[in-house]
Amino acid sequence: SAVISQKPSRDICQRGTSLTIQCQVDSQVTMMFWYRQQPGQSLTLIATANQGSEATYESGFVIDKFPISRPNLTFSTLTVSNMSPEDSSIYLCSVRWKGEQYFGPGTRLTVT
Amino acid sequence: GESVGLHLPTLSVQEGDNSIINCAYSNSASDYFIWYKQESGKGPQFIIDIRSNMDKRQGQRVTVLLNKTVKHLSLQIAATQPGDSAVYFCAERGGNDYKLSFGAGTTVTVRA
Repeated sequence: SAVISQKPSRDICQRGTSLTIQCQVDSQVTMMFWYRQQPGQSLTLIATANQGSEATYESGFVIDKFPISRPNLTFSTLTVSNMSPEDSSIYLCSVRWKGEQYFGPGTRLTVT
Repeated sequence: GESVGLHLPTLSVQEGDNSIINCAYSNSASDYFIWYKQESGKGPQFIIDIRSNMDKRQGQRVTVLLNKTVKHLSLQIAATQPGDSAVYFCAERGGNDYKLSFGAGTTVTVRA
């Protein structure tokens, strides 16, 4: 299986600031995804990040709010910009590897 | 839009009994289904998958059943153990779409 790590594991941030979340995979993967999981809820896809192309955002998510980088086949970052308390969630990195989709441990973000 | 949902948000089961978790989906074009387990503080973990050309697939202590006629998916866990306590999500992917859609999740609690 693909092993995914995320940094930070959790953070508490002030409103109006930005946080960049890092995702590292132990295998080279083409497709990486970023999900949001609000407290007690299911997973919602934010965007798909393929190496060498611009990220594709889902309805309700925009690049200015959630800029994504994908510099190589094992790494990606998601920035949550100009945060508000509504951004308090778990943010999950996911990859598709050998036909299956794997998830990182998540970054638990609290905005005060 | 298309959705994948679960019938019951919570399930309490006696240790040693069998568990059945249900999921209904609405996208008739879906051809790939996955069950994930998410323990507290962790990312979703792949349990088992099934393609639409099958109606049953077995793993270690788990069985997934697919009924395409009524668009229903179920996960059966045999001899449920305390370590099975978690939130279970079904997810589906349709046709040429590479994206997974997740259901709402069922919280399984195992009673000793």
